Amino acid sequence: ETGVTQTPRHLVMGMTNKKSLKCEQHLGHNAMYWYKQSAKKPLELMFVYSLEERVENNSVPSRFSPECPNSSHLFLHLHTLQPEDSALYLCASSQEGGSLYGYTFGSGTRLTVV
Amino acid sequence: GDSVTQMEGPVTLSEEAFLTINCTYTATGYPSLFWYVQYPGEGLQLLLKATKADDKGSNKGFEATYRKETTSFHLEKGSVQVSDSAVYFCALSDRAGAGSYQLTFGKGTKLSVIP
Repeated sequence: ETGVTQTPRHLVMGMTNKKSLKCEQHLGHNAMYWYKQSAKKPLELMFVYSLEERVENNSVPSRFSPECPNSSHLFLHLHTLQPEDSALYLCASSQEGGSLYGYTFGSGTRLTVV
Repeated sequence: GDSVTQMEGPVTLSEEAFLTINCTYTATGYPSLFWYVQYPGEGLQLLLKATKADDKGSNKGFEATYRKETTSFHLEKGSVQVSDSAVYFCALSDRAGAGSYQLTFGKGTKLSVIP
């Protein structure tokens, strides 16, 4: 399997639940990213991992907790979310020098918080 | 900080019409510029890119030229098809940390092509 794979594709969770989003890349990239895409808002960068270390955290609430156990896998752990957290969550990866080659995105997880 | 401004949508065109989606940017350095496309229910796909001034990126009949003097990267296509209906994002890159680059996106422009 190639590219960036995100699971699950759709997730409905209550505000008291705990769930995790998974992202896996088979491209040999060494940087991975979480983005949030909400209706009528720009794409929001949430977290950046480079060489398995977090290098960016854009003031994301602590109810979102990322984990990058190795360069191929990225998780986003979710707990006590709010309805306004409902959105499409996109994972992406890039090689060092991503400025030249851009990112490869997964298809996203559509999250609905009820 | 860096920013990208692209024309508000939605844009509705008839098949075979000419397409232009404007994009301008603000950056402190010399970013690379990208256009991404998002088809319904999918993630973003890289459409084309340009890494330095006067470069022209092209793919699938789409073109965009990196204009440093006007800080622009407008997307054009001579004859759109129904299958081009999607949301188009202009983006620029900037360094986020060792080995990684942060992409800054515009808000996206939704294109609908009608037969």
